[in-house]
Amino acid sequence: QQPVQSPQAVILREGEDAVINCSSSKALYSVHWYRQKHGEAPVFLMILLKGGEQKGHEKISASFNEKKQQSSLYLTASQLSYSGTYFCGTGSGGSNYKLTFGKGTLLTVNP
Amino acid sequence: GAVVSQHPSWVICKSGTSVKIECRSLDFQATTMFWYRQFPKQSLMLMATSNEGSKATYEQGVEKDKFLINHASLTLSTLTVTSAHPEDSSFYICSARDLGPLTPFTGYTFGSGTRLTVV
Repeated sequence: QQPVQSPQAVILREGEDAVINCSSSKALYSVHWYRQKHGEAPVFLMILLKGGEQKGHEKISASFNEKKQQSSLYLTASQLSYSGTYFCGTGSGGSNYKLTFGKGTLLTVNP
Repeated sequence: GAVVSQHPSWVICKSGTSVKIECRSLDFQATTMFWYRQFPKQSLMLMATSNEGSKATYEQGVEKDKFLINHASLTLSTLTVTSAHPEDSSFYICSARDLGPLTPFTGYTFGSGTRLTVV
């Protein structure tokens, strides 16, 4: 079942913060976050595993609340390069589980 | 890092013809690869799971006779769109995962995608 992402779109000015949410009606084992720029393939950002963890690098971080079956992606002090469509992908356990992606959140960062 | 190469990047074909798309893992072995289809401004929809040495697993609603998948080696999976029609025009992307020591924390690497236009 497809996870639900919100918001569908967000427009920021450079330096502003944003939060993108991903929720599922099914129990989650893992949540992946990817960014896709127009006409390109998605690029892996980070993965969160069952256990309520939070992780991040530079100014992009994410949290995973398995009880609420939710994950959030936090973009801090956004840069122009952050523009793109962000997808969360949810998966089950195992080594090569398939991912089900949300509909995406279009993030536009303006100067 | 893991690299997945996909060819061709774009293809235009006539209605009724077949098109083959290749997906290669360049620096790792991929026993499993995934094929997605993406329509403009829409999400990635999983079409099938390609397994090396065995039959692919197709998602509900995907015609296995129309979208032929062959995973002949640990580094190559191919998707053939047979008897293509204009409604098959889309962006097709493959992905795979490098199952190394850090596997649980490793994301999937996507190929660069193939834009198929059927005229």
